[in-house]
Amino acid sequence: DAGVIQSPRHEVTEMGQEVTLRCKPISGHDYLFWYRQTMMRGLELLIYFNNNVPIDDSGMPEDRFSAKMPNASFSTLKIQPSEPRDSAVYFCASSINRGKGQPQHFGDGTRLSIL
Amino acid sequence: KNQVEQSPQSLIILEGKNCTLQCNYTVSPFSNLRWYKQDTGRGPVSLTIMTFSENTKSNGRYTATLDADTKQSSLHITASQLSDSASYICVVSDNNAGNMLTFGGGTRLMVKP
Repeated sequence: DAGVIQSPRHEVTEMGQEVTLRCKPISGHDYLFWYRQTMMRGLELLIYFNNNVPIDDSGMPEDRFSAKMPNASFSTLKIQPSEPRDSAVYFCASSINRGKGQPQHFGDGTRLSIL
Repeated sequence: KNQVEQSPQSLIILEGKNCTLQCNYTVSPFSNLRWYKQDTGRGPVSLTIMTFSENTKSNGRYTATLDADTKQSSLHITASQLSDSASYICVVSDNNAGNMLTFGGGTRLMVKP
């Protein structure tokens, strides 16, 4: 079974540009999470969806960030306009919510560098 | 506020040696604690999960312990291998949040030949 697939793996762009990160969760998983990881702050939850509906976006840093999940097999995280402080590794994860014991399965992340 | 603290921040050991990583948490009400391994350039992968009633759980050379009274967990790695070089992240879930997790800052382990 394929894991969580993220694209692109690396993105380098100039500040002010729009950045779109993509995620395909594991088939059958009804929860999807977007995280940001930096050396200083570790892993931070940005937003999560349940059955394609955004449930909690309190971790989204500011209005420049937006996330969508148009269907059960695809989600995007968009930054517009991008700033150098957005440079980080962004992870997507998915899980099945059948009680408390289910792990989140992470993709390999998108390493984003804003110049 | 829920918090998870890990120690040490980084650790270097020789191949074949054992090591123990620590995790202290203030998450309430507690649901479960999970250790993740994150290889460089990869996403975290779950190693073990421990619930309130479990004291010890093993996964190959990895053994996790949990003391729910003192709110401490440890991850013991036996006979370390070069492939154990990675970051190890302690993650605690509370009963209020369902799938919501509180992440520790991780311990970066380097195993040298």
